[in-house]
Amino acid sequence: GENVEQHPSTLSVQEGDSAVIKCTYSDSASNYFPWYKQELGKRPQLIIDIRSNVGEKKDQRIAVTLNKTAKHFSLHITETQPEDSAVYFCAGWDGAGSYQLTFGKGTKLSVIP
Amino acid sequence: NAGVTQTPKFQVLKTGQSMTLQCAQDMNHEYMSWYRQDPGMGLRLIHYSVGAGITDQGEVPNGYNVSRSTTEDFPLRLLSAAPSQTSVYFCASSGKGKQFFGPGTRLTVL
Repeated sequence: GENVEQHPSTLSVQEGDSAVIKCTYSDSASNYFPWYKQELGKRPQLIIDIRSNVGEKKDQRIAVTLNKTAKHFSLHITETQPEDSAVYFCAGWDGAGSYQLTFGKGTKLSVIP
Repeated sequence: NAGVTQTPKFQVLKTGQSMTLQCAQDMNHEYMSWYRQDPGMGLRLIHYSVGAGITDQGEVPNGYNVSRSTTEDFPLRLLSAAPSQTSVYFCASSGKGKQFFGPGTRLTVL
């Protein structure tokens, strides 16, 4: 099955700086990669996703890039703000079509004012 | 649309008790799933269903049962609660490739 690894596990940045979180996946058939943001005590919320036929996708201050050859994808947050502080999870869609998402273990992002 | 709803929000059980966590969605999604979230462990899949009448095991199914009699509902049953099942439980449903989570149930087993 799919295996998704996520780095780093914790990340601290100064407000206004950029943050990058990286994930690798094992199943070359996986074709959908969402990112979730989870604030303390809340549910994970889908913030951006990318499909394997696209190399990059942007939504305001967040962007995701995908390198299918290397089997890795990254989340980029620019001009970070204190409200970006949360745990971020990457995930990969099971290539067998069973609709199972495999999650990374999460990155705790702290934005220091 | 209410999206994905879960009840209860909090629950305390004694070891050996049984209970059912409720999950419902109003988006007509075929795929639904249950995760547990423990500190440092991320989200681990317990059981999932690809449609009414079809369920399958995920990564950590032991101690849990599920059924899917309708598209809307996907309850999770704890047969005999153990302290190791203390966790936050999230239900999720997926449509058109996007997965949405319910608000979660925080369960403590004493």
